[in-house]
Amino acid sequence: DSGVTQTPKHLITATGQRVTLRCSPRSGDLSVYWYQQSLDQGLQFLIHYYNGEERAKGNILERFSAQQFPDLHSELNLSSLELGDSALYFCASSAPRDRTSVQFFGPGTRLTVL
Amino acid sequence: SQQGEEDPQALSIQEGENATMNCSYKTSINNLQWYRQNSGRGLVHLILIRSNEREKHSGRLRVTLDTSKKSSSLLITASRAADTASYFCAIEYSGAGSYQLTFGKGTKLSVIP
Repeated sequence: DSGVTQTPKHLITATGQRVTLRCSPRSGDLSVYWYQQSLDQGLQFLIHYYNGEERAKGNILERFSAQQFPDLHSELNLSSLELGDSALYFCASSAPRDRTSVQFFGPGTRLTVL
Repeated sequence: SQQGEEDPQALSIQEGENATMNCSYKTSINNLQWYRQNSGRGLVHLILIRSNEREKHSGRLRVTLDTSKKSSSLLITASRAADTASYFCAIEYSGAGSYQLTFGKGTKLSVIP
């Protein structure tokens, strides 16, 4: 158990809908990273938040947004969903106090768009 | 793309044999990490090697880094069925900022009992 929690575990929805994925980092970790993993694309970095502020953006679509709250949990919002958004979504956290980029991953949310 | 490239994409071996997988990258790095992912689960960090290191060991894992060739290899010795998983290299590029990692597409390892 990495200490990172993600909810829900599975999500099935229809095209055009909007969903919110939630992540709670390890206790004390200030950084949260979001990734999308689909069969043909590998693990794609979406966005990084540090202590409530956006630090870096990767291949994140404009239909997707994220935020990190004062209690350090993070939410990833996906809107106007398309079939191609079906994937595993992972969050990871890290501890900058360790001066390392080692990341601890949650169990993921499997999103299915029908 | 700065994505690391693992090789091979898939590897099937008998229990007890050694498994070697490779990762190549394109520009200078701060460190390179290896992660394991069991089917559909979250990634688990295995080992980190810094750019000024050439080899590191952790249990049955041995990682080498050749910065002149921009490549790394992960060796798993005396493999077990429980080692069946996908293995990813993750690269922290120099100047990437915010401790960002770039992951490869992975090597799928099957260890046959």
